[in-house]
Amino acid sequence: GNSVTQMEGPVTLSEEAFLTINCTYTATGYPSLFWYVQYPGEGLQLLLKATKADDKGSNKGFEATYRKETTSFHLEKGSVQVSDSAVYFCALTVNTGTASKLTFGTGTRLQVTL
Amino acid sequence: NAGVTQTPKFQVLKTGQSMTLQCAQDMNHEYMSWYRQDPGMGLRLIHYSVGAGITDQGEVPNGYNVSRSTTEDFPLRLLSAAPSQTSVYFCASSRTTGGNNSPLHFGNGTRLTVT
Repeated sequence: GNSVTQMEGPVTLSEEAFLTINCTYTATGYPSLFWYVQYPGEGLQLLLKATKADDKGSNKGFEATYRKETTSFHLEKGSVQVSDSAVYFCALTVNTGTASKLTFGTGTRLQVTL
Repeated sequence: NAGVTQTPKFQVLKTGQSMTLQCAQDMNHEYMSWYRQDPGMGLRLIHYSVGAGITDQGEVPNGYNVSRSTTEDFPLRLLSAAPSQTSVYFCASSRTTGGNNSPLHFGNGTRLTVT
């Protein structure tokens, strides 16, 4: 089956620090990979995605590269801000041809302090 | 453009009570789904629908019913609430099947407590 493993949080960083949130996956088939972000009191929002090996997704200063050889999709940001405090979910989907369904990781809470 | 609207935001039920969580989207999306979010478990798919009149089970469907009589609405029914159904519920929709080129749009969630 499909599964996503994320590093456990919470991750606490000072503003302007470098961020890495690890994500690895197992999948039957050839997955597309996603990072979603959940701000307090809100639903999840798509942050970035990558649909094939070596693709790099990027948005709002965040980046993640689809590494097929290591089955990983780590999220990085060079300089975090307090406004980046949220829960980050790694997810994958394998299109079955009928309805593709997202498999989510457990989420990693990021807390950025001044 | 309201996006995905869920009601209520909070609900407390007693064991054995029934209720319906409402979800509506105004984006003419074909695909709608319900997830529950529990600590340490991420989001798990309950039921989904690829269009009006079509529903199917996800990963954790027991204790929940859905119907899709219109494109816009996808209510989730708890037939006889149990404490194990205490969770945060999210409705999500996408233009097609929620896959590669059609990201999911989430509502803000319903926090349900069953005592």
